Amino acid sequence: KNEVEQSPQNLTAQEGEFITINCSYSVGISALHWLQQHPGGGIVSLFMLSSGKKKHGRLIATINIQEKHSSLHITASHPRDSAVYICAVRKLGNLIFGKGTKLSVKP
Amino acid sequence: DVKVTQSSRYLVKRTGEKVFLECVQDMDHENMFWYRQDPGLGLRLIYFSYDVKMKEKGDIPEGYSVSREKKERFSLILESASTNQTSMYLCASSLGYALGFNYGYTFGSGTRLTVV
Repeated sequence: KNEVEQSPQNLTAQEGEFITINCSYSVGISALHWLQQHPGGGIVSLFMLSSGKKKHGRLIATINIQEKHSSLHITASHPRDSAVYICAVRKLGNLIFGKGTKLSVKP
Repeated sequence: DVKVTQSSRYLVKRTGEKVFLECVQDMDHENMFWYRQDPGLGLRLIYFSYDVKMKEKGDIPEGYSVSREKKERFSLILESASTNQTSMYLCASSLGYALGFNYGYTFGSGTRLTVV
């Protein structure tokens, strides 16, 4: 069993929809990261959180440490949000990655 | 703007060649990492380094070596490239780990290596 599980693997949405991507993990962590990878490969760090909730623009990330679960929400989705979203947990000095969620937002 | 720069965006090499992938960061970060990314497998850690001349094996070090002679530069070496090393390679860096304090990661744009 993977230490970091994401769902769904693939997600197609219409522009304007509210989107939720989930991440569950089974190990003790010091932080959880949400990353975004556009076609072409470069990865951008969206959030790093160890408790509660963070918001940046239309993106919201939450984490429940007791349940070992995090969610990434996108409000009013737009085609430019189309990307792979990756959850990664920090265990000591290293990151353990989920396999990613491929999001496609149709106009 | 802080950066992690990977020397090549796309690379095609022949089986058996020695391949060098270079990564440079301008943030004075202690930690540097090399990952490979394959469809269905996600990112997997090959090697990492916590300091100059220091290296530690990650989850899949076989067939690879690394070099960190200067703090800002971390090189991944494929001693004898094979077709199963065709992949996307990503470099990342972060500040040093301190218990109870978390630092963010900065990633490079990736090198898509094809071994023919």
